[in-house]
Amino acid sequence: DQQVKQNSPSLSVQEGRISILNCDYTNSMFDYFLWYKKYPAEGPTFLISISSIKDKNEDGRFTVFLNKSAKHLSLHIVPSQPGDSAVYFCAASEGTSGSRLTFGEGTQLTVNP
Amino acid sequence: SAVISQKPSRDICQRGTSLTIQCQVDSQVTMMFWYRQQPGQSLTLIATANQGSEATYESGFVIDKFPISRPNLTFSTLTVSNMSPEDSSIYLCSARSSGYEQYFGPGTRLTVT
Repeated sequence: DQQVKQNSPSLSVQEGRISILNCDYTNSMFDYFLWYKKYPAEGPTFLISISSIKDKNEDGRFTVFLNKSAKHLSLHIVPSQPGDSAVYFCAASEGTSGSRLTFGEGTQLTVNP
Repeated sequence: SAVISQKPSRDICQRGTSLTIQCQVDSQVTMMFWYRQQPGQSLTLIATANQGSEATYESGFVIDKFPISRPNLTFSTLTVSNMSPEDSSIYLCSARSSGYEQYFGPGTRLTVT
């Protein structure tokens, strides 16, 4: 039972354009969502997060949007840079467990110069 | 954010043997976790390493196969016991202090032949 899904295994965008990575979830108990970036041979790096009481959180070039009714969140990167090329994981946490993160399958983003 | 190191970074092991992976955090943290990332797949939580008590294992993972220690607030070990080729994965340690964010080590790439 895949509770967090990233339906696009890959995404390719031009440098300077917007990258939009999508994530859907099924567990209505999830109340905190995170995005991680992973380069090959490295561990995931925390990027940005959002609580379920918000619908948007922004940090520099990165913005996460949450649509609770649709159980959908997205990560926007503007402008995209070649150094952003990595695998992006969406993760969700349930308030009752407080700690357990459930990850999506990841989306490989490639930003072309 | 915590800085996390893991040893070894990679290893090639024979089936039937065991490997112990070490995780060191540069500051005291509340919680430590062990994840597995099998080839082409997402991150799956193996267990929560509890300081001074037995680890809490996720469904599908057992202590006999993945014994975990956490003797203090900055250090944990994961042993992969009686290895088979199916155990070939990246094993990741993570840590969390306050908040929901978890910070990851660089991972240990294990190949079982």
